[in-house]
Amino acid sequence: GQNIDQPTEMTATEGAIVQINCTYQTSGFNGLFWYQQHAGEAPTFLSYNVLDGLEEKGRFSSFLSRSKGYSYLLLKELQMKDSASYLCAASFTGGGNKLTFGTGTQLKVEL
Amino acid sequence: DGGITQSPKYLFRKEGQNVTLSCEQNLNHDAMYWYRQDPGQGLRLIYYSQIVNDFQKGDIAEGYSVSREKKESFPLTVTSAQKNPTAFYLCASTRTSGDVQETQYFGPGTRLLVL
Repeated sequence: GQNIDQPTEMTATEGAIVQINCTYQTSGFNGLFWYQQHAGEAPTFLSYNVLDGLEEKGRFSSFLSRSKGYSYLLLKELQMKDSASYLCAASFTGGGNKLTFGTGTQLKVEL
Repeated sequence: DGGITQSPKYLFRKEGQNVTLSCEQNLNHDAMYWYRQDPGQGLRLIYYSQIVNDFQKGDIAEGYSVSREKKESFPLTVTSAQKNPTAFYLCASTRTSGDVQETQYFGPGTRLLVL
C-alpha cells in the first residue's frame, strides 16, 4: 500500500514553533500536499511540494526530502487559531489524479 | 463566487433508506471526488470522476453509488447496503493536467447520521 504516517496529536504553546512530520513510501511518489482542517469544516490547502527543499509561505513552511520519503510542516509564531488538524497527502505516479491521505495530526495550541 | 457547494449540511437516514448527497462546483474543474471521514481517521476515497459520464471506485466504494451526468455535479448516493454510514462526507474537485497532480479543493461537507 501507500501508507502515509504522521503523529496523531501534538501540543504547543502560543508564540512557539512546531514541526509536524509526515513520512510516505517513496515508490512512485509524485508530490506532497498539506491541508489544514478545523473541526467540522472542510480541509483548506496550505502547501504543495514536488521538489526537495523548503517552501515558505508566511508563518507556514513545508519541507520535502524525496529520497528519504519525508516531509514536515513548520508553523511559526503559533496562534490559538492554529489549533486544528493538519493533513498530509501524497500523490503517486499512475494514481489517476488521486491523493492518499494520512490520518491527520491534531494540533492543540495552549496559552 | 466560484466554489464547491454541498447540501444538505446535516442529513438523517433511517434504516433501509437510500439518501443522496449533493455536490456542485462552478470552478470548471474536470475531476471530482467523494471522501468519507470518520473520527480520528484520515480521508478515505469513495469514488472519483475525471470526466463527465465516467467514474471509478475508490478504496471504500461498497454501499455507495455515484453519477456524473454534468461537469458541475457529482451526487453520491448512500444505499441501504452501507451498514455504517454515519460519517462526515467531503466532496472535492480539481483541474486535470495529465500526470501532474493539481490541488484538490473541498466543499463544506455533509454530516450523515443514522436514526
